[in-house]
Amino acid sequence: DAGVIQSPRHEVTEMGQEVTLRCKPISGHDYLFWYRQTMMRGLELLIYFNNNVPIDDSGMPEDRFSAKMPNASFSTLKIQPSEPRDSAVYFCASKPGPLDGNQPQHFGDGTRLSIL
Amino acid sequence: GEDVEQSLFLSVREGDSSVINCTYTDSSSTYLYWYKQEPGAGLQLLTYIFSNMDMKQDQRLTVLLNKKDKHLSLRIADTQTGDSAIYFCAETNILTGGGNKLTFGTGTQLKVEL
Repeated sequence: DAGVIQSPRHEVTEMGQEVTLRCKPISGHDYLFWYRQTMMRGLELLIYFNNNVPIDDSGMPEDRFSAKMPNASFSTLKIQPSEPRDSAVYFCASKPGPLDGNQPQHFGDGTRLSIL
Repeated sequence: GEDVEQSLFLSVREGDSSVINCTYTDSSSTYLYWYKQEPGAGLQLLTYIFSNMDMKQDQRLTVLLNKKDKHLSLRIADTQTGDSAIYFCAETNILTGGGNKLTFGTGTQLKVEL
């Protein structure tokens, strides 16, 4: 089975540039999550979607961050303009809907983002 | 907010058992998880336990839950070098956010020595 697929795996860009991270969830999963991992703050939930609709974006740090899910198989996390403090590993995760019980989240391999 | 705490490092010899501990503050935690993260990779789900259980065993892994003390542990029997990784404890509460918001610990780096 294909897992959660993220692209790119690595991104290095200069501050002020727009960054777009992409995620393809596991087919049939109704929930999609975006996390950020840093040494200082650990794993933080940024936003999650249910059936393509954003449910909780309280973890999105600033207006520079935005996330979309135009269809069930694709989501983007965009940072515009990017800043050096946005450097982190960004993970996408997905899980099935509640009809399958409270199933755990499955994570992608992450995008390692470096803003110079 | 809720908090999950883990010790940062654990070193064991190959073949020994490893015990990674986790404490949490949410007395209403419903599900507790253990994830493994290898260098450069994402989080791999190892096992999880529902809060009405005390123990769960899956091959070399044993999870123990003490709800009274809000303490979760992961025991890895016959630890191998391939078990070297960071192990994250996480909890969620069905009553808040439908069990979708995970609170993660800081992670325990397990080093297996020959």
